Amino acid sequence: EAQVTQNPRYLITVTGKKLTVTCSQNMNHEYMSWYRQDPGLGLRQIYYSMNVEVTDKGDVPEGYKVSRKEKRNFPLILESPSPNQTSLYFCASGGDEQYFGPGTRLTVT
Amino acid sequence: EDQVTQSPEALRLQEGESSSLNCSYTVSGLRGLFWYRQDPGKGPEFLFTLYSAGEEKEKERLKATLTKKESFLHITAPKPEDSATYLCAVWVDYKLSFGAGTTVTVRA
Repeated sequence: EAQVTQNPRYLITVTGKKLTVTCSQNMNHEYMSWYRQDPGLGLRQIYYSMNVEVTDKGDVPEGYKVSRKEKRNFPLILESPSPNQTSLYFCASGGDEQYFGPGTRLTVT
Repeated sequence: EDQVTQSPEALRLQEGESSSLNCSYTVSGLRGLFWYRQDPGKGPEFLFTLYSAGEEKEKERLKATLTKKESFLHITAPKPEDSATYLCAVWVDYKLSFGAGTTVTVRA
């Protein structure tokens, strides 16, 4: 089954504790990206990757890092999370048809 | 700056009552315009990609059209299961920018 998976699905953490949200796709897509979704602000792109080793900033990259060492994986790293990064996060992959993962709900206290 | 505006914010329909959602955009170098459906707490579900003015795509009760300044999502004879938030997004230089969405509620 073609899919985008994210882990964990839910995470509660404390300010400053580094965390990684994983994203994996099995569709051999070159393009992958990360978004956050907040009430009243909608979906905003954090980072995207056009292919392995090539990444670029989206609209809200501050406080986030990404890496793309393999085509199938695109982890999102929060080096020092803060409460304003509490949000619902989505990973997506594809080109002309982009498919989203199920989401990761992150709470930073 | 790229802008994507969806209207209306919310739409309440009676089952079978057809309607249209609007997505207007101001961008340079549009690569494509996407439509998604999103249910509460879930990831957006891909519906359509449109590339050029005049293009139309259909899927069941949904039909998407594109002009140089806006896109419409037409819902024909909707059913309660069509209730969801519909999102449009523009793809420019590998970046994707979303509108705020239209929440559609279809009553039986």
